Amino acid sequence: DVKVTQSSRYLVKRTGEKVFLECVQDMDHENMFWYRQDPGLGLRLIYFSYDVKMKEKGDIPEGYSVSREKKERFSLILESASTNQTSMYLCASSLQGGGANVLTFGAGSRLTVL
Amino acid sequence: AQSVTQLDSQVPVFEEAPVELRCNYSSSVSVYLFWYVQYPNQGLQLLLKYLSGSTLVKGINGFEAEFNKSQTSFHLRKPSVHISDTAEYFCAVSELDDYKLSFGAGTTVTVRA
Repeated sequence: DVKVTQSSRYLVKRTGEKVFLECVQDMDHENMFWYRQDPGLGLRLIYFSYDVKMKEKGDIPEGYSVSREKKERFSLILESASTNQTSMYLCASSLQGGGANVLTFGAGSRLTVL
Repeated sequence: AQSVTQLDSQVPVFEEAPVELRCNYSSSVSVYLFWYVQYPNQGLQLLLKYLSGSTLVKGINGFEAEFNKSQTSFHLRKPSVHISDTAEYFCAVSELDDYKLSFGAGTTVTVRA
């Protein structure tokens, strides 16, 4: 089974801090994604990557950046955390190609910004 | 761009009763459709998917969904639920050759004894 591991389940940070959320997948998937999950809003795509060093903006990229230096690792960066970035962050991966591929999700990272 | 509407945010249901979760989508092109489930304190996992072919799709744990192109719907059903089906359910859509999967707001199913 593909495993997607998010390094931190719970984080508490202060406004203005730089935050790194790390995600690693172990099955050689080409595509990796960062979603944000909020009650009543479902999942919203922040960024995705279809290859090493490649990245594409999703629907809500403002305030976030990403890094994919190695195929298995996809990092989400909050340059200066704000309280409205308090949320559950979900990383996912999928095999190469487009829309028919099933996403495999990590367990999530719950970030609280004070 | 595609969008997804899940018509019910909360669905309470008694054990062994049937359940239907409604999902409508909008897109100007052909789509792939998915249902994912999120059990408490876990990530999402796939329940079932429609890519092509038969419009009735069977998934894991006794769930099934029917694709209706004219109604642009993909409703999820289970004839008899268990306590363990208590979870949040997400409908999702992607356009052919598009990497992006768009999710609905989710439906929370609470099964009571």
